[in-house]
Amino acid sequence: AQSVTQLGSHVSVSEGALVLLRCNYSSSVPPYLFWYVQYPNQGLQLLLKYTSAATLVKGINGFEAEFKKSETSFHLTKPSAHMSDAAEYFCAVSATPGESNYQLIWGAGTKLIIKP
Amino acid sequence: DAGVIQSPRHEVTEMGQEVTLRCKPISGHDYLFWYRQTMMRGLELLIYFNNNVPIDDSGMPEDRFSAKMPNASFSTLKIQPSEPRDSAVYFCASSFRSSGNTIYFGEGSWLTVV
Repeated sequence: AQSVTQLGSHVSVSEGALVLLRCNYSSSVPPYLFWYVQYPNQGLQLLLKYTSAATLVKGINGFEAEFKKSETSFHLTKPSAHMSDAAEYFCAVSATPGESNYQLIWGAGTKLIIKP
Repeated sequence: DAGVIQSPRHEVTEMGQEVTLRCKPISGHDYLFWYRQTMMRGLELLIYFNNNVPIDDSGMPEDRFSAKMPNASFSTLKIQPSEPRDSAVYFCASSFRSSGNTIYFGEGSWLTVV
């Protein structure tokens, strides 16, 4: 069965520093991969998604993620953190590798804390 | 375009009462999902519909929970009777086949059972 692991329930970075949020999935076939962001008291919003096109995916708000098949990873990065990036970030993978299946398997989430 | 609309946004109810959460998906979407989010269990898929038909309800915690989708623009999630452990944020989300699995979430219904 598919699974998603997000390393670190909380990540703290200084404003202006690099943001790196880690996500690893279990699959031998590249699935669909997603990053969602949840701001306080709001629903989840799509940041970016990988659908077997370019391995480097650019999203909203300056975030990007790189799909690495050999490492089964899909880490999220942003070169310079902003206070407004403080939120919880979720990595998700489609439940059935390689198919357009509408169930997503979710990671546990990583809370990003931005220090002034 | 209007997003997924949920109501109520906040509800406080007493144990044993019936709770009804409502959702209007994005127009044209053919998949609808109900999720529950808690600190302890994270994000859980409760049930999802395709073209108004329930496809997988294996995530519904017990018989006290039920969900319906009478038409393409409306769904309900009912809890009867409610218990304090049902306190959570309930999200409705929708998607359509051409979106490549992208799911669009509502703002959530914050339920507190006392």
